[in-house]
Amino acid sequence: GNSVTQMEGPVTLSEEAFLTINCTYTATGYPSLFWYVQYPGEGLQLLLKATKADDKGSNKGFEATYRKETTSFHLEKGSVQVSDSAVYFCALSRNAGGTSYGKLTFGQGTILTVHP
Amino acid sequence: DTGVSQDPRHKITKRGQNVTFRCDPISEHNRLYWYRQTLGQGPEFLTYFQNEAQLEKSRLLSDRFSAERPKGSFSTLEIQRTEQGDSAMYLCASSPGLAGGQSTDTQYFGPGTRLTVL
Repeated sequence: GNSVTQMEGPVTLSEEAFLTINCTYTATGYPSLFWYVQYPGEGLQLLLKATKADDKGSNKGFEATYRKETTSFHLEKGSVQVSDSAVYFCALSRNAGGTSYGKLTFGQGTILTVHP
Repeated sequence: DTGVSQDPRHKITKRGQNVTFRCDPISEHNRLYWYRQTLGQGPEFLTYFQNEAQLEKSRLLSDRFSAERPKGSFSTLEIQRTEQGDSAMYLCASSPGLAGGQSTDTQYFGPGTRLTVL
């Protein structure tokens, strides 16, 4: 079956540091890939997505590139802020001809804490 | 657009009792999903509706769990004879479907219902 593995957390960084959160997946075919974020006290929100190999998703300074050869979708940000402190989830869904749909399969989440 | 709402936000119950949770999706979203999230884990898929039809159920959804979506609007998730292992956050999400030609059927999540079974 499909699965998503994220790097172990928690991750603690100083403001303006570079962030990488690793995500690898196992799936039948070529899934769509997502990063969701959960800020304290809030629901899950879609951060970015990619639907085919070599696609780069980006939003709010975060980026992730769909790497088919390494089955990875690592999240990066060049300069984190205190407001980026949250839990980050990598996820995948079915993909048919570039269209993403259906249930999401999530990784276990990575807690990020950014200090001033 | 008021977002996905869930009620109650917290529920404490004793083992063996029945509980019911409600989810109100974003208006006009025809797809509705239920997920369960335990501490330190990502959400796990439970079941999915398109309008009022329940199209997919996970093996996680034992016969003590039942979900409905009458009239294709709000949904309820009932757990009968609760067990301590049912303690978790129950998340609801809705999505518009792909009728508008979008390439991604983005799911929008509610704040969740936290269940504690004593």
